[in-house]
Amino acid sequence: DSGVTQTPKHLITATGQRVTLRCSPRSGDLSVYWYQQSLDQGLQFLIQYYNGEERAKGNILERFSAQQFPDLHSELNLSSLELGDSALYFCASSPQRGATPSGYTFGSGTRLTVV
Amino acid sequence: DQQVKQNSPSLSVQEGRISILNCDYTNSMFDYFLWYKKYPAEGPTFLISISSIKDKNEDGRFTVFLNKSAKHLSLHIVPSQPGDSAVYFCAASAQGSARQLTFGSGTQLTVLP
Repeated sequence: DSGVTQTPKHLITATGQRVTLRCSPRSGDLSVYWYQQSLDQGLQFLIQYYNGEERAKGNILERFSAQQFPDLHSELNLSSLELGDSALYFCASSPQRGATPSGYTFGSGTRLTVV
Repeated sequence: DQQVKQNSPSLSVQEGRISILNCDYTNSMFDYFLWYKKYPAEGPTFLISISSIKDKNEDGRFTVFLNKSAKHLSLHIVPSQPGDSAVYFCAASAQGSARQLTFGSGTQLTVLP
C-alpha cells in the first residue's frame, strides 16, 4: 500500500457521460498529480495541484477538470466522455511543490472504460 | 513532442543474465532522472534515480548510467530475476517551480526462468 488511495478501481460508462475520479494523497503530502496512461502509451501528465491551488497543467482536455479540496483530496472530472478517453488514470502525490529525489508516490489507478 | 523516449517496447532476458533498459531524452534542461517499475494492476513504484552531476548510481542489483553528451540513460539489472518482470518507465525532471516528471512510454521486461 503506497498510501495514495484512488477510487473507484474500475469504472465502465457510456459515451457522453460524466465521471469523477477521486484521490486521497499520502498523509502529509501537499501536491497531487494526475496522469493518464492510454494503451501502449506512457504516463501523460494532466494536471498538478499544490495545497489547494492549481500548479501546472499538461495535456489536459477542456472536457476534463480537477480540483483539490481543503482536506487535500483531489477529484478529476471527465465529461462528454469519448471512446478514446478509455485509459488508466493515476494519481500521485509528493510532500512539496515538485518531485522529490524519489519522485512521486503513485496510487494503483482507476481503469476507465468508455463503451 | 516526446521529450523522453523508450524505443524498445519489450525486452526478454534469461534469468541470471543482465537486463539493459534504455532511455533517450531531448530536453537539455532535464537534470534529474528516475526509473519506475510497474506491475499489472498496481501503480508505478520508484526504483532508482540519478542526478545530472553523476554518471552512475548503484543500488543493489540495479545500476543507472547517464551519458549527458548523448542524452541517454540506461538501467542495468544484474542478475535478472523472474520477479523483475514488469514495465519499466524512465522519467526526467527539470529544475523549476513545478518539477514535474516527464515519463517515457515504458519497456516491458520479461525475465525467463
